[in-house]
Amino acid sequence: QQPVQSPQAVILREGEDAVINCSSSKALYSVHWYRQKHGEAPVFLMILLKGGEQKGHEKISASFNEKKQQSSLYLTASQLSYSGTYFCGTVTGGGNKLTFGTGTQLKVEL
Amino acid sequence: DVKVTQSSRYLVKRTGEKVFLECVQDMDHENMFWYRQDPGLGLRLIYFSYDVKMKEKGDIPEGYSVSREKKERFSLILESASTNQTSMYLCASSRTDGYTFGSGTRLTVV
Repeated sequence: QQPVQSPQAVILREGEDAVINCSSSKALYSVHWYRQKHGEAPVFLMILLKGGEQKGHEKISASFNEKKQQSSLYLTASQLSYSGTYFCGTVTGGGNKLTFGTGTQLKVEL
Repeated sequence: DVKVTQSSRYLVKRTGEKVFLECVQDMDHENMFWYRQDPGLGLRLIYFSYDVKMKEKGDIPEGYSVSREKKERFSLILESASTNQTSMYLCASSRTDGYTFGSGTRLTVV
């Protein structure tokens, strides 16, 4: 079952903040976050692991609540370059197989 | 930088044809994945492989098969293409952390 992302879409003015949420019905081993610009491949942003370890983009922050089976991506002081569709991917079993959410479209305007 | 190369950017095939989508990665990654991306549905996993000659079904394997004869190459095969397989196909590879995606193959079945 795919994780649920919210909101589905958001429009920001440059400099504003946004939070994107990802919620799973299954226990999570890890959560990944990716950004996809129109016509391009998804690009890895961050991985959050059970136990608190995080690896990824230094300007991106995220949280992982293992108990609630949720993760949130925090975009602060947004820039035009942040525009795109954000996907969370979850690992719920062994291995490195990701199940992706349906995405959150983010648009940053002047 | 890890590079994942998909052989075709755009493909148009006829219903009933056998279609091969090729994916090559150059960083000795063990894990390789095939996803399809459709509007509103996000990325859905078709097949994946954790090693040469190994393959496992993802969430939507019907109508597809895969081949992994060499570590760097993972092929997706549409045995008899149908119009409902018109989609963007994305290949990805990883070691233990984030995925690196190819640029995608937009397949149209007519």
